[in-house]
Amino acid sequence: DAGITQSPRHKVTETGTPVTLRCHQTENHRYMYWYRQDPGHGLRLIHYSYGVKDTDKGEVSDGYSVSRSKTEDFLLTLESATSSQTSVYFCAISEFGGNTEAFFGQGTRLTVV
Amino acid sequence: GDSVTQMEGPVTLSEEAFLTINCTYTATGYPSLFWYVQYPGEGLQLLLKATKADDKGSNKGFEATYRKETTSFHLEKGSVQVSDSAVYFCALMDAGNMLTFGGGTRLMVKP
Repeated sequence: DAGITQSPRHKVTETGTPVTLRCHQTENHRYMYWYRQDPGHGLRLIHYSYGVKDTDKGEVSDGYSVSRSKTEDFLLTLESATSSQTSVYFCAISEFGGNTEAFFGQGTRLTVV
Repeated sequence: GDSVTQMEGPVTLSEEAFLTINCTYTATGYPSLFWYVQYPGEGLQLLLKATKADDKGSNKGFEATYRKETTSFHLEKGSVQVSDSAVYFCALMDAGNMLTFGGGTRLMVKP
């Protein structure tokens, strides 16, 4: 299995509080992604990174920010959590090249109350 | 932008039945195509992939053929088992490493 670790695995937080989710990889892959999974929507891309300090927005980036200061770590921050951000969040990694597969972490279940 | 459309579920089958889950895509260029599977409480695992037209990906009895003329990548299995019950996602990756998913199809296999 690809070495991807997400933390925490579960979190309950209150509306308006900041939350940071961490994705750590041991594969030295260049690309890292954050997705959210919601019923009826499949997986939607929040942000992605194509290198250290190189990040870009996905289709549902509002209310989220990311940082990548090291190859192995990709952080997702909810600056002020809202109930609409209750979801399961998945991190993924891939090597450069369009025919490479992506590997996924186990997911973080976030509940905003 | 790129998009993937797959049949909505749930799909309910009896054990040993034939499975087809339809997937079509819209993309510029020549994307790679994937099927991922998600078992309850787990992340996504790659089931199979195809990187160019007419390629057939196969794994664990599942197969899918990259059809450029119909922009499709339908998933098939000749005889499903209860253990195949899961959510299946069709996805594409473009030349810029952007991975786009379909909405997922839940498969339920009854004994």
